[in-house]
Parts: sequence; C-alpha cells; structure tokens
Amino acid sequence: RKEVEQDPGPFNVPEGATVAFNCTYSNSASQSFFWYRQDCRKEPKLLMSVYSSGNEDGRFTAQLNRASQYISLLIRDSKLSDSATYLCVVGRGGFKTIFGAGTRLFVKA
Amino acid sequence: EAGVTQFPSHSVIEKGQTVTLRCDPISGHDNLYWYRRVMGKEIKFLLHFVKESKQDESGMPNNRFLAERTGGTYSTLKVQPAELEDSGVYFCASSRDRGPETQYFGPGTRLLVL
Repeated sequence: RKEVEQDPGPFNVPEGATVAFNCTYSNSASQSFFWYRQDCRKEPKLLMSVYSSGNEDGRFTAQLNRASQYISLLIRDSKLSDSATYLCVVGRGGFKTIFGAGTRLFVKA
Repeated sequence: EAGVTQFPSHSVIEKGQTVTLRCDPISGHDNLYWYRRVMGKEIKFLLHFVKESKQDESGMPNNRFLAERTGGTYSTLKVQPAELEDSGVYFCASSRDRGPETQYFGPGTRLLVL
C-alpha cells in the first residue's frame, strides 16, 4: 500500500463546476500536509498548506482530518486555468516529504 | 529573485554510461533536495542537503547514485553506470527555512536511458 493515496482521475469538469479531491495517508506520525499543483511537463508548485482547522485561499479550500488520516481539496467555480495535476504531499517531520501520485483535472469550456 | 535552475533540461544516454545532473538553488537557500519521478510513479524523495552536509539520503535508490554539494552552493547528482530504470524526471528543490512548505522546485532534468 502506498503511503499517500490519491484518486488518479482524470476528473473532467465544465467551467464553473465545483470539484473535490481526496487523499489518504497511512503514517499516523505525519506532521505536515500540502497540496501542490503540477502543470504538464513543469515542476510542482505549492498550492497551499493544510491545517486541522481548515484553510481557504480564494476558490480553494483544504481540510485535514487527522483521525481519519484524510486530506481534501475543494475547488469552486473551476477555471480553464485550473487544469493540472494536483499532488497531495505529506511531511513526516524534518524535511522528508511523501508525494501522492496526483489527480489530474481537466476543466472544459 | 532567480529560481532554482537545473542542467541539462534533457539527457539521453545509453545504458552503462555516466550522467551528471546539476542543480543551482536559489541564492541563500541552505537546504537542497533531490527528487525523482519515474514513468507512471509518484515523485520520490532522494536526499536532502543542509549546506554541504547530507542530512537524509534515505531515498537514494542504490550506490550507483552519488550526490555532492561541495561548498554548499550548487549540487550534482551522478548516475554511474546508468540503467534503463533510471529514466525519469529528476527534480531539485531548495528552501531557506526548515519545513517542506518553503520548498521551491526547479524545472527538472528529463533523463532517458536507452
């Protein structure tokens, strides 16, 4: 079993739709949680950190449930420019990070 | 501020040859990381430097991989001899502070071993 699991998708949604991505992690000692975005043939870029209290950045909302070892990302009012692969990333403490395989999103006009 | 740069952007070599990848971190970033993504798999951590010291190299796949960061500035990752399964994208990242949320990734080196 992978340490960080994501639905690979792809998710195909129309512009304006709301889409939710889920991620589970197996190591209960994990300490930090992130969502990254990766465009085709580009490097990953940090989208947002995820906190137990939940956090929101514009159209993006991230949630963490430590008891269920579950992380989510909600994108509201999807834009064409949101098309990318979304990577769930978990930090074990220190600097080592574990990446999920990513969920591909296609937003269509 | 200039970002993380990596060289070359692409490399095609034959099995058994040697390849050296270079990473130049953002100026002032003491922390430097190497990652790898092989076809169809997730990005995997290889190792982490703080200045010139290796802090964690638990992700290095085997002794054919050698990473160095002499002087604590740029880093090199040498694969010798290269095998077919080494093909993939090698990313470098750097950060000023502790914590993965401050990492900035380079554009990656795409390595193809034939």
